[in-house]
Amino acid sequence: GAVVSQHPSWVICKSGTSVKIECRSLDFQATTMFWYRQFPKQSLMLMATSNEGSKATYEQGVEKDKFLINHASLTLSTLTVTSAHPEDSSFYICSARDPSRGSNQPQHFGDGTRLSIL
Amino acid sequence: DAKTTQPNSMESNEEEPVHLPCNHSTISGTDYIHWYRQLPSQGPEYVIHGLTSNVNNRMASLAIAEDRKSSTLILHRATLRDAAVYYCILRDVSGNQFYFGTGTSLTVIP
Repeated sequence: GAVVSQHPSWVICKSGTSVKIECRSLDFQATTMFWYRQFPKQSLMLMATSNEGSKATYEQGVEKDKFLINHASLTLSTLTVTSAHPEDSSFYICSARDPSRGSNQPQHFGDGTRLSIL
Repeated sequence: DAKTTQPNSMESNEEEPVHLPCNHSTISGTDYIHWYRQLPSQGPEYVIHGLTSNVNNRMASLAIAEDRKSSTLILHRATLRDAAVYYCILRDVSGNQFYFGTGTSLTVIP
């Protein structure tokens, strides 16, 4: 079945640094990918929709200059948390749908990236 | 986006059936009902989805009310590995985004 892979699975870094998270679709091409953030004991919150070859669409309240999204190929989207601070510590999850399987097929989620900012 | 309402938590004994309810009274005619589950420190995992008719797969069954304002995810025989947060999500056929509600945290008692 379709698989979405995220890297790294966890990262710890100092406040002020930038962190890049990769999301890859391993056996299908994804023109659209999605980025979520999840705080402890809370639900997933959609941050943005990543569109291959064009600008990402951000949800209301998400800072586009803080969370840079690049979707340069049909199998890779990256999320860069710029100048990260402790309040950016969270579980970041990406997802994608295989468009070749029809318009209402399931989303496939990565295993998430645990980001801890010291 | 149409919202869903689920109980915050439920418990089940191991090897017994579990019925997880979801209310979606504002569902539109083109909204599909999707269920995902999330184990601790993992991304969500697809369980099942449907539009109007009841659906079965190897993981679970989905029972959809005739007026489509509610649905029930049925795990026929709960195991300890089924302990997770279960999310009921509505998704319009023309859209891609998933908006997660609070979900139901299922505890399976040995």
